[in-house]
Amino acid sequence: SAVISQKPSRDICQRGTSLTIQCQVDSQVTMMFWYRQQPGQSLTLIATANQGSEATYESGFVIDKFPISRPNLTFSTLTVSNMSPEDSSIYLCSVVGRSSTDTQYFGPGTRLTVL
Amino acid sequence: GDSVTQMEGPVTLSEEAFLTINCTYTATGYPSLFWYVQYPGEGLQLLLKATKADDKGSNKGFEATYRKETTSFHLEKGSVQVSDSAVYFCALSDRGSSNTGKLIFGQGTTLQVKP
Repeated sequence: SAVISQKPSRDICQRGTSLTIQCQVDSQVTMMFWYRQQPGQSLTLIATANQGSEATYESGFVIDKFPISRPNLTFSTLTVSNMSPEDSSIYLCSVVGRSSTDTQYFGPGTRLTVL
Repeated sequence: GDSVTQMEGPVTLSEEAFLTINCTYTATGYPSLFWYVQYPGEGLQLLLKATKADDKGSNKGFEATYRKETTSFHLEKGSVQVSDSAVYFCALSDRGSSNTGKLIFGQGTTLQVKP
């Protein structure tokens, strides 16, 4: 399976600021996704990161709040904009490799705390 | 829409006890089914998967069988260890007409194994 890294691993931010999370994969992948895991909760898909085009957002998530980039087949960023304490969560990227049609592998996550 | 329901936790067992975590799903198509595990402070790891009816996924002593007739994918292990303490997530992939590839997760079940 692909090796996935995320930066930063954790951060503490002030409300009103923005944080950009990076997801790097060691091999080219077909699909990349971003999920949010609120404290004590399950995972919710934010969006599918599309290479070279705008991301596809799930209901309840908008581009102004969570802009996403995917400039190539190994890298994506998620920005959490104008943060509030409700944005405190773990943010995870996941990928589907070229050898698999639907198995997703997850990065280690970014633990975000907003004060 | 598609959904996944897991038995509620937390589940507390003694070492070497038998484990079952129930998972049932609702899907319009023929999804792949997954179990992921999240150890404390870490991201999600794929534990096992099954892609069609009657398939059995297995890994690290854990097993789950894809039961189409009961729409279930229960996780079992014959003898748990303290190191199995984690949160377990059942998930299905959207392979229906939209085939977005996204995962739909259950709410997660916390397992605590005591020595």
